[in-house]
Amino acid sequence: GAVVSQHPSRVICKSGTSVKIECRSLDFQATTMFWYRQFPKQSLMLMATSNEGSKATYEQGVEKDKFLINHASLTLSTLTVTSAHPEDSSFYICSARDHNEAFFGQGTRLTVV
Amino acid sequence: SQKIEQNSEALNIQEGKTATLTCNYTNYSPAYLQWYRQDPGRGPVFLLLIRENEKEKRKERLKVTFDTTLKQSLFHITASQPADSATYLCALDETGTASKLTFGTGTRLQVTL
Repeated sequence: GAVVSQHPSRVICKSGTSVKIECRSLDFQATTMFWYRQFPKQSLMLMATSNEGSKATYEQGVEKDKFLINHASLTLSTLTVTSAHPEDSSFYICSARDHNEAFFGQGTRLTVV
Repeated sequence: SQKIEQNSEALNIQEGKTATLTCNYTNYSPAYLQWYRQDPGRGPVFLLLIRENEKEKRKERLKVTFDTTLKQSLFHITASQPADSATYLCALDETGTASKLTFGTGTRLQVTL
């Protein structure tokens, strides 16, 4: 199956700083990628849909100025958590679609201290 | 309101037995229903997809059923092994294009010797 690579797998940052997470489709092109967040023992919640060459579509309640998404190419989407706070600590997962099947990255564990 | 419920947070079974996991949903009309496996600290891995017009799907030791009248899917792992221990997530796909998947909270399966 298709491979989606996410980097970094873990990151610890200080409160107030920004963190960028990358999501790459390795062997296919993805015009659309998706960003999810998962809190411990909870389900994956869709944050936003990243569209190549256009603005991302954010789900209700997700602050677009805080979670900046850039989909600059058909194989790369980035999520930047700006001015991170401890409550932003979570597991962030991206996915990309290939032939109507979703493939997920390994996830990024963000800890804001 | 819309809801996806997986039968239990955790399920413990003995090696060799069949594990049966349940996914119930309300106020959705999914075109597809998907099952994923998630290991701790990792992204979900796709297992099986079943369409709204399909009753049952099989893949090796896995079997999925889909009852759109009951609004329920059952996921079976036969001849379970300790390596099957993981969290299993069901996800609804209302568009049939793997866009905007909505996930259940998951069932943590533990297979013991």
